[in-house]
Amino acid sequence: EPEVTQTPSHQVTQMGQEVILRCVPISNHLYFYWYRQILGQKVEFLVSFYNNEISEKSEIFDDQFSVERPDGSNFTLKIRSTKLEDSAMYFCASSAWQTMEYGYTFGSGTRLTVV
Amino acid sequence: GQSLEQPSEVTAVEGAIVQINCTYQTSGFYGLSWYQQHDGGAPTFLSYNALDGLEETGRFSSFLSRSDSYGYLLLQELQMKDSASYFCAVKGNQGGKLIFGQGTELSVKP
Repeated sequence: EPEVTQTPSHQVTQMGQEVILRCVPISNHLYFYWYRQILGQKVEFLVSFYNNEISEKSEIFDDQFSVERPDGSNFTLKIRSTKLEDSAMYFCASSAWQTMEYGYTFGSGTRLTVV
Repeated sequence: GQSLEQPSEVTAVEGAIVQINCTYQTSGFYGLSWYQQHDGGAPTFLSYNALDGLEETGRFSSFLSRSDSYGYLLLQELQMKDSASYFCAVKGNQGGKLIFGQGTELSVKP
């Protein structure tokens, strides 16, 4: 079964440092998403990406965050200057369509710890 | 905006049936989905309801009542491996954004 692959699985970084989280979506999917989950809380939407541009972003996705699809396969989330409250699990997801009917495929996540 | 309410935790015994409820408020409705998450891992798609009624997929069924803004996930013949968090989700708008509920942690006891 096709998978969404995320690297690294764990990342520890110092406050103020930049981090890049990487994702390889399913190859024939067109819609890409980043979500985050603070420990013990719900999964929260960050940003959606389609046709090489952001289609929607949440209030969480401020100027510190950016996304890119640099080479047609990878999909990255960059946090420019990390804060303690950025510590969370970050999930990448992809889908072939924008409908909910077939579900979105999530990666296993990157656990980001900011110290 | 959108909001979803579900119980924070449910406990049941192996072999039993359990129902996890979800009520939602949305400005537009594009269907209700359910996802399973084991130990903070990847949320996995379980089911989707766009119309009123019951959808069955093996041991799992999902129900929707649009007039009541209510749905539930029914898990039958519970197994230990069903211990996980279950999230209901709606679409935020016509775009692809999913809005998740807080999640229900299901504990299956022997």
